[in-house]
Amino acid sequence: GAGVSQSPSNKVTEKGKDVELRCDPISGHTALYWYRQSLGQGLEFLIYFQGNSAPDKSGLPSDRFSAERTGGSVSTLTIQRTQQEDSAVYLCASSLDGVATEAFFGQGTRLTVV
Amino acid sequence: RKEVEQDPGPFNVPEGATVAFNCTYSNSASQSFFWYRQDCRKEPKLLMSVYSSGNEDGRFTAQLNRASQYISLLIRDSKLSDSATYLCVVEMSGGYQKVTFGIGTKLQVIP
Repeated sequence: GAGVSQSPSNKVTEKGKDVELRCDPISGHTALYWYRQSLGQGLEFLIYFQGNSAPDKSGLPSDRFSAERTGGSVSTLTIQRTQQEDSAVYLCASSLDGVATEAFFGQGTRLTVV
Repeated sequence: RKEVEQDPGPFNVPEGATVAFNCTYSNSASQSFFWYRQDCRKEPKLLMSVYSSGNEDGRFTAQLNRASQYISLLIRDSKLSDSATYLCVVEMSGGYQKVTFGIGTKLQVIP
C-alpha cells in the first residue's frame, strides 16, 4: 500500500497477556517512530528507529515494552504482561530519513486491556 | 520543563474569526519545526512546515521566533472544518533527528 499500515486496528486483551503490534512503514522510509496516545491526551514518544537501529528508546515506559525492526522495514512493538494503564492508541509513523521531512502516520492500533 | 509546550485549550471561536496558537520549545538546538493537524480519532497529518522567515499557506500563517524559542500558527477566517487539534512538532539533532510532539491545542469553530 501507499501509506503506513498498522495491524491490528483494534485489540482487546486480558490483563497479563502479551500483545504484538505491527507497523509496515512506507517503502523506502528509513526512519520509524512509535507513539502512544491515551484518550484526550497528546502523543507520547516511545521509540525511534533509523534503519534497524533504535538510537532512542527513552520513551519506553517500562521493561515490559520492547520493539524491533527488521530489514529496515516492518516493526513490531511488544507489550508483555499487559496492564490496564497500557490501554491507548499506539501510532506508528515513518519518514524518508528522519531529517526535516514529513512524518506519515498509520491509523493506529487501539489497545484495550480488560 | 517539557521539551515542547502548548496550551491544550480548547479554543472556541466563531466562524470567520482569527485565532492564533503559540508553542514554546526548551532546546535552543532545535532545528526544524512543523504544525500537524489531528482530527478526532484520526491520525496526525502534516499541516505545514515552519521556516525561519515565516510562511503562509492560504489562511494559515506560521512563524518562528528563535530568540524567544516559540513558534506560532495563525488561522484567518476560521471555517467549521478547521475544528481539530493542532500539534506543534520540534525536531532536534542529537546524533540523530529526535522529533517531539506537543500535547496539541484543540480548536472548536462554532457556527
